[in-house]
Amino acid sequence: QKEVEQNSGPLSVPEGAIASLNCTYSDRVSQSFFWYRQYSGKSPELIMSIYSNGDKEDGRFTAQLNKASQYVSLLIRDSQPSDSATYLCAVRAGNQFYFGTGTSLTVIP
Amino acid sequence: GAVVSQHPSRVICKSGTSVKIECRSLDFQATTMFWYRQFPKKSLMLMATSNEGSKATYEQGVEKDKFLINHASLTLSTLTVTSAHPEDSSFYICSARDLEHNYNEQFFGPGTRLTVL
Repeated sequence: QKEVEQNSGPLSVPEGAIASLNCTYSDRVSQSFFWYRQYSGKSPELIMSIYSNGDKEDGRFTAQLNKASQYVSLLIRDSQPSDSATYLCAVRAGNQFYFGTGTSLTVIP
Repeated sequence: GAVVSQHPSRVICKSGTSVKIECRSLDFQATTMFWYRQFPKKSLMLMATSNEGSKATYEQGVEKDKFLINHASLTLSTLTVTSAHPEDSSFYICSARDLEHNYNEQFFGPGTRLTVL
C-alpha cells in the first residue's frame, strides 16, 4: 500500500513568517513529488514539483526532497494571507499519483 | 498550455436521474485521465484511471456500474453518475496527463460541484 502522510494541521503562522509543510511517503519507487495548493471549493493548483534530492526554489516557495528519508517538504517564505489554503503533497509512481490528506494553512494578518 | 476544462461547473439534479460530466484537454492530447471525488474538508479520492480507447480502471470500492467512464478520444473523457442519490453529492475533479510533453505531471480541471436533491 503506497501511502503519503501529512500533518492535517491546522497550521497557523503570522504574516511574514515562514510556513513549513512536511510530507512522508512509503514507496521507495516514487519518482516525482508535487505540492498542490487548494483553495476551498476549487481544484488543486500545482505549486512546486521536484524530482531529485535537494532543494528547489521558486519565488517564495522552496521544496526539499530527501529520498533516503522518504521525506519532502515545502517552505513558504514571507507568508501572506493569500497563502491560506490546504496544501496537498503528491507522489508519482509509474502512472499512478498518490495524494496526502492535506495540511490546512492559515496565515494571520 | 496544458489546460483542462470541465463541464458543467455546477449541477443540481433530482434523485434517480443521471448526470454526465465532461473533461476536456484543450491544448494537448491526454492518453490518461483521472477522476477524483472530494467531500467537504476531505482529501482527494481517486475514483478511476481512464486510458484512451480502453476500459477505465476503478479503485477499490468505486462502483463501475454507477460511475460510468468513457474516454473515447484523446481530448475527452466523460463521467456519468447513474441514478444519482444525495450521497453522491460531491466535488468531482478530473485531471489529465500530457505524456508527450510533460511526463511527470497531471493537470487538473476546475471541478464540477454535483448536488443531488
